Amino acid sequence: DVQMTQSPSTLSAYVGDRVTITCRASQSINSWLAWYQQKPGKAPRLLIYKASSLGSGVPSRFSGSGSGTEFTLTISSLQPDDFATYYCQHYNSYPLTFGPGTKVHVK
Amino acid sequence: EVQLVESGGGLVQPGGSLRLSCAASGFTFSSYWMHWVRQAPGQGLVWVSRIKSDGTSTNYADSVKGRFTISRDNAENTLYLQMNSLRAEDTAVYYCARSDYSGNSYFDCWGQGTLVTVSS
Repeated sequence: DVQMTQSPSTLSAYVGDRVTITCRASQSINSWLAWYQQKPGKAPRLLIYKASSLGSGVPSRFSGSGSGTEFTLTISSLQPDDFATYYCQHYNSYPLTFGPGTKVHVK
Repeated sequence: EVQLVESGGGLVQPGGSLRLSCAASGFTFSSYWMHWVRQAPGQGLVWVSRIKSDGTSTNYADSVKGRFTISRDNAENTLYLQMNSLRAEDTAVYYCARSDYSGNSYFDCWGQGTLVTVSS
């Protein structure tokens, strides 16, 4: 099974900051990686698929990069609506697995 | 509007059974692979199961294999998860989620979730 890790686990930032979250896979997953945003009590929302493709309706301040085993999610200028938990997920093979999440909160 | 609405959650005793439903609308349900994903209280997301668009192929997480069964009724636009031999560790919010049109297993649409609590 492919194991996913994320760093950092928590992140404190100001509105306007550039934020980067890293996701690593235990083996190569090519570009079969997605990123999600989840707010408390809500379902996750797709942000990025195929490592760098923006989901429908997702603001352009979100971007993704990477391939193989190392990936990043970048928020170019953090907005008040972006304080949430972010998860990566591989879909290279079954079982599908998610990273443990990165919680972004106000500094 | 694309919509997924789960139902069927509730309190069940260990060893009991429950069937979850997910009603789909706003898209051609029979064309999409569908999944169940769960989230224990305060924890992360865990993929549970997947079914192909025509129902001919399924996959399960090891933790539920042999106890849970995913199925679908394309005529009724509904996805199901039959859960048997439930354990305390199955306590979670269960989400149904849609794969993309090509069958790539990332999730472009999620339901609001239904809570399953396994406790005596």
